[in-house]
Amino acid sequence: QQQVKQSPQSLIVQKGGISIINCAYENTAFDYFPWYQQFPGKGPALLIAIRPDVSEKKEGRFTISFNKSAKQFSLHIMDSQPGDSATYFCAARDSWGKLQFGAGTQVVVTP
Amino acid sequence: GAGVSQSPRYKVAKRGQDVALRCDPISGHVSLFWYQQALGQGPEFLTYFQNEAQLDKSGLPSDRFFAERPEGSVSTLKIQRTQQEDSAVYLCASSRGDARLGYTEAFFGQGTRLTVV
Repeated sequence: QQQVKQSPQSLIVQKGGISIINCAYENTAFDYFPWYQQFPGKGPALLIAIRPDVSEKKEGRFTISFNKSAKQFSLHIMDSQPGDSATYFCAARDSWGKLQFGAGTQVVVTP
Repeated sequence: GAGVSQSPRYKVAKRGQDVALRCDPISGHVSLFWYQQALGQGPEFLTYFQNEAQLDKSGLPSDRFFAERPEGSVSTLKIQRTQQEDSAVYLCASSRGDARLGYTEAFFGQGTRLTVV
């Protein structure tokens, strides 16, 4: 049973547009919420992460918004570029340190 | 090495065959995780080591799966009597600190793609 639900499954955005990916969780014991980027044939790479006591974190073109009461968080990719085309996974860390991943969102940025 | 190294990159096994997948974590990293990633899905936790101690193996799907890290560095994931449902990418990740004490970034290897025919 997936503990972190991610949507959409895929999205297509034009170059320069905004990509938005949403995740929801149930387990209030999760204490850290990273986003990973994965290219075909590669392992996931950490993109940006947030702790639940922070409502927003921005790093360059990537922003996480976190709503603790709703148990939801989202990734915004601003000014999307073709090089951003990849699969994005949200994740949540439990008290034992292991990550629970969402099912992934395949993002395609068209020129 | 500069990153987490996994070998082999690809493995084709006949059903019933035993396989061994190797992970070389980043030097000095205390924590090591194995994840299984089915096609089109997110990684799913298999097992966790802190140094040589296997502290959590709750994600191993059956007793055919076995992992070890005898000297606290290289780890091997062994699958006995492989079945078709074992076909997946097996990812190894390592992190510097004790994963139970707080988040330290987990660095993933490229994975081993196992295909059972």
